[in-house]
Amino acid sequence: KQEVTQIPAALSVPEGENLVLNCSFTDSAIYNLQWFRQDPGKGLTSLLLIQSSQREQTSGRLNASLDKSSGRSTLYIAASQPGDSATYLCAVVFGQAGTALIFGKGTTLSVSS
Amino acid sequence: GAGVSQSPRYKVAKRGQDVALRCDPISGHVSLFWYQQALGQGPEFLTYFQNEAQLDKSGLPSDRFFAERPEGSVSTLKIQRTQQEDSAVYLCASSLTGTGYRDTQYFGPGTRLTVL
Repeated sequence: KQEVTQIPAALSVPEGENLVLNCSFTDSAIYNLQWFRQDPGKGLTSLLLIQSSQREQTSGRLNASLDKSSGRSTLYIAASQPGDSATYLCAVVFGQAGTALIFGKGTTLSVSS
Repeated sequence: GAGVSQSPRYKVAKRGQDVALRCDPISGHVSLFWYQQALGQGPEFLTYFQNEAQLDKSGLPSDRFFAERPEGSVSTLKIQRTQQEDSAVYLCASSLTGTGYRDTQYFGPGTRLTVL
């Protein structure tokens, strides 16, 4: 079964700290991987999309890496801010034929000022 | 421009009632997806449309769930004879092209359904 796992489930850090969120997936034959942010009561916002041929993507203070062979992705957040507090979801499209994103359960991040 | 919108934002239904949830995708987006998100879980895929064609409905949990997109724009997810286990947030997403998995999906705010 194709699964996506995110560890830890929750994380609390002080403002200014650099942090890493982890995502692992069971099948290395992926099409792409996305990181999303979800704020309470709101929908998902796409942060970064990494195609299977890519190793990383960067946007501002965010950097996402992809290692297909080990079935892992990381989301690095530099100089965290209270406004970064949200749930971060990793989602994978497996193979070439699938249309469905398979999501992890998310990591809930709290950044204190 | 406007993003994906969903209505109603909140719906309370008595067990056994039928409900209809509406999604307005971003104008011109070809692909449309429905997801179900239970409390504390990630979203789970329900169904996928390319224009008006429902290409994948493998995630619909039972025959009580039905989705349509008759004119290739607005979509409705209907749940018949609601059960308590149907309580969840229902998310709609759209993407620009007809190969939705290649594109970034843009999500609406969701409809929170509570079945009493």
